Amino acid sequence: ETGVTQTPRHLVMGMTNKKSLKCEQHLGHNAMYWYKQSAKKPLELMFVYSLEERVENNSVPSRFSPECPNSSHLFLHLHTLQPEDSALYLCASSQPPGDTQYFGPGTRLTVL
Amino acid sequence: AQSVTQLDSHVSVSEGTPVLLRCNYSSSYSPSLFWYVQHPNKGLQLLLKYTSAATLVKGINGFEAEFKKSETSFHLTKPSAHMSDAAEYFCVVSDNSGGYNKLIFGAGTRLAVHP
Repeated sequence: ETGVTQTPRHLVMGMTNKKSLKCEQHLGHNAMYWYKQSAKKPLELMFVYSLEERVENNSVPSRFSPECPNSSHLFLHLHTLQPEDSALYLCASSQPPGDTQYFGPGTRLTVL
Repeated sequence: AQSVTQLDSHVSVSEGTPVLLRCNYSSSYSPSLFWYVQHPNKGLQLLLKYTSAATLVKGINGFEAEFKKSETSFHLTKPSAHMSDAAEYFCVVSDNSGGYNKLIFGAGTRLAVHP
């Protein structure tokens, strides 16, 4: 798990708060991903960055805003979230053309 | 389009008995297939990966999976379950059709191991 780190590990926020999730990868990869894992649902891909450019935005509401300032860091900025946004948010990285993704431990988000 | 179906949402075994977690895939070309494991309150850990080099793939912690093209299956097995194997297991197929790598996850199988 030390290859991909995520902070914070747990976050509780109100619907009017603004917070950010951080992901850092120490593997030298140049693609990074955000996933949402909700109870009783398959993992949902939210965003994909390749060489710091967003290449996929999977119809994610605008209250989620990603940022990739360099190939090692990925952020997910959150604002005016809804209780249904409570979930485990997972970050992953890979090195194309290889397709193996390495995951961080996740941030458990609770929206009150 | 690529997809995977995990045939069991829950599997329960006794410690020391074999484990079988079933997965079927759908792919328009020769796929890369993975099994990931997720222990409670943890991220996803890669167990093993199939990339057409060999149909029987050995992974970590004694797990292995066999790629059967004729059955479009990629079942995960282990000869003898250990208590520490209790976790959720995901069968995954890679989709590179968009010009970048995307993983398509199955719904997961929760494995319970009883003493």
